[in-house]
Amino acid sequence: EPEVTQTPSHQVTQMGQEVILRCVPISNHLYFYWYRQILGQKVEFLVSFYNNEISEKSEIFDDQFSVERPDGSNFTLKIRSTKLEDSAMYFCASGSRTGSTGELFFGEGSRLTVL
Amino acid sequence: DQQVKQNSPSLSVQEGRISILNCDYTNSMFDYFLWYKKYPAEGPTFLISISSIKDKNEDGRFTVFLNKSAKHLSLHIVPSQPGDSAVYFCAARPTSGTYKYIFGTGTRLKVLA
Repeated sequence: EPEVTQTPSHQVTQMGQEVILRCVPISNHLYFYWYRQILGQKVEFLVSFYNNEISEKSEIFDDQFSVERPDGSNFTLKIRSTKLEDSAMYFCASGSRTGSTGELFFGEGSRLTVL
Repeated sequence: DQQVKQNSPSLSVQEGRISILNCDYTNSMFDYFLWYKKYPAEGPTFLISISSIKDKNEDGRFTVFLNKSAKHLSLHIVPSQPGDSAVYFCAARPTSGTYKYIFGTGTRLKVLA
């Protein structure tokens, strides 16, 4: 069964450092997303990506964040200068808008710890 | 501006009984409603969805009901099993104009053996 894969599963970094989280979406999907969940809180939308550009982003997704699909298979989230409050589980998701059941498929998540 | 709400943060149910998880929404411009199950330190797993043109969808032990006039949907799990213990999120997919799936805050279900 196709699945979304994410690496790394856990990353620890110092405040101010750059972090890149990687995702391989399901191959025939066209819509890609990053969500995050701070411990004990709800799953929050960060950004959606379609047709090689950002289609929508939330207020959280400020200038410190960027996304890229460099090679047609990987989908990356970069945080340029991490802050303590960026510590969270980051989930990549992909979907097909024409899917009959409408679902997004999520990866297992990347836990980011900023010290 | 929270458009999808789950007002019960937690629910405990005896094994074998029915679990009913509720979700309300405040915007009618959604074409699909979805339920996801999430274990700690794992990604949300899709459970079941319902199109906005239907009022019921069933898949094994899971049934989702949609009441459009009340802007309410519910997930019924019967019979509940201890392995169902997890956090359940409802989500809504907008019809157009935005690609953002909107998630509720989640309900933690605990099924007691």
